[in-house]
This record gives sequence, C-alpha cells and structure tokens, in this order.
Amino acid sequence: DTAVSQTPKYLVTQMGNDKSIKCEQNLGHDTMYWYKQDSKKFLKIMFSYNNKELIINETVPNRFSPKSPDKAHLNLHINSLELGDSAVYFCASSQTPGGAGNTIYFGEGSWLTVV
Amino acid sequence: AQRVTQPEKLLSVFKGAPVELKCNYSYSGSPELFWYVQYSRQRLQLLLRHISRESIKGFTADLNKGETSFHLKKPFAQEEDSAMYYCALKGDVLTGGGNKLTFGTGTQLKVEL
Repeated sequence: DTAVSQTPKYLVTQMGNDKSIKCEQNLGHDTMYWYKQDSKKFLKIMFSYNNKELIINETVPNRFSPKSPDKAHLNLHINSLELGDSAVYFCASSQTPGGAGNTIYFGEGSWLTVV
Repeated sequence: AQRVTQPEKLLSVFKGAPVELKCNYSYSGSPELFWYVQYSRQRLQLLLRHISRESIKGFTADLNKGETSFHLKKPFAQEEDSAMYYCALKGDVLTGGGNKLTFGTGTQLKVEL
C-alpha cells in the first residue's frame, strides 16, 4: 500500500508547455505539501494545504498553481514551463499542520525535465 | 526564521568506521528536529526524530539545545548506509512554524569498502 503516491514519476516536456503532477495520500491526513528538490539537491517547501485550504505559499512563481479537490489529493499545475523548473517535485502529507510529533511522509517524487 | 545548516556536502568513510553527520539549527522557539534519508532516486524517508529518542538502523541523534545541534551518529558504517541525509526542523505552532519542514542542504554519505 503506497501511502503517498505521485504521478507521473518521470516527465519530459518542452518549454512553454503546461503540465500537471498529481498526488494522493491514503493515510487519512489533513495536511498535504509540495516540496521542490533542485539539481543541487536543495529541498524547499512550495505549498501546503490543510483540509483543502491553502496555509503555506512560499515565494513561488504564479505559474505554479496547486489545487486540492479534497483533503486526500493535492495536484500541482505548472503553466508556461521554463528550463529552471526542471527538478524533482515531492508531495508529502501529515496528520495536522502542527503539533508535536507530527511526522511528514513523502511521496516518491516526480522527476520533471524541461527541454 | 527557521534555518538548518549541514556544513558537509559529502562525507566519505570506510566500512566499519564511525559516522557523524553534522547539523546545526537556528530557531527562536521550540523546534522539533528530524533526520530524513534519501537512497538513490527514492523517496525521502524519516530516519529518526528527536522527540522519540530512538535508534534506527544503528543511527542516533541527540538534540543539544546549548549548541543548537542535532548531529547524526553511527558507531560502525555499513555499505548500505550510503545515501543522502537531510536534517530538518519543524517549528512550533505558536511562532507559525509548525506547518512546514525546513531542510538543510543535505550531506551525501559514501561508505567505501
């Protein structure tokens, strides 16, 4: 049973295209996240949703738009892809936004390559 | 602001040698500290967290508030320990930092035979 699953795992696309990455968690968690891991392996949070409501929106270009149809899903849509968007995008989830001992679980990552 | 520093990008040790991956943090409230591990082209997995005070795969980490450190240690490195290790901090809800993990830049551990 995959706890946090993302699709697609690999995506190669041309500059200027629009693409989406989907994420689903079956852990019954209320909070979901998108993290970006760049070519230097730096990991940084992009967005966080709690019960379909946006609670964290870091400095991310407007071309990136998260959508949460329900608390088990958080999709990431990217418009007008640029070369610099090439990265690994990790979806994650946790029981609640805060609270001690609240572990964040990660998906397997989606490798996006923009050519 | 939350900040995590991992000074070493790469740490290379021989099999059987002790390992210490350094992590220092900066945070004004009461942080929670974690170590995550990422094996080659796989997902990030939680290795351990300071509140559990546990030992996983022989690894331990103690939170030292005086030195603001959370170094990861293992007495005898194994080949299968080769991976990328990330130290991460979660702030407390009172200061608004409870919603996200702030990661260090990661340390690539390479265990050589």
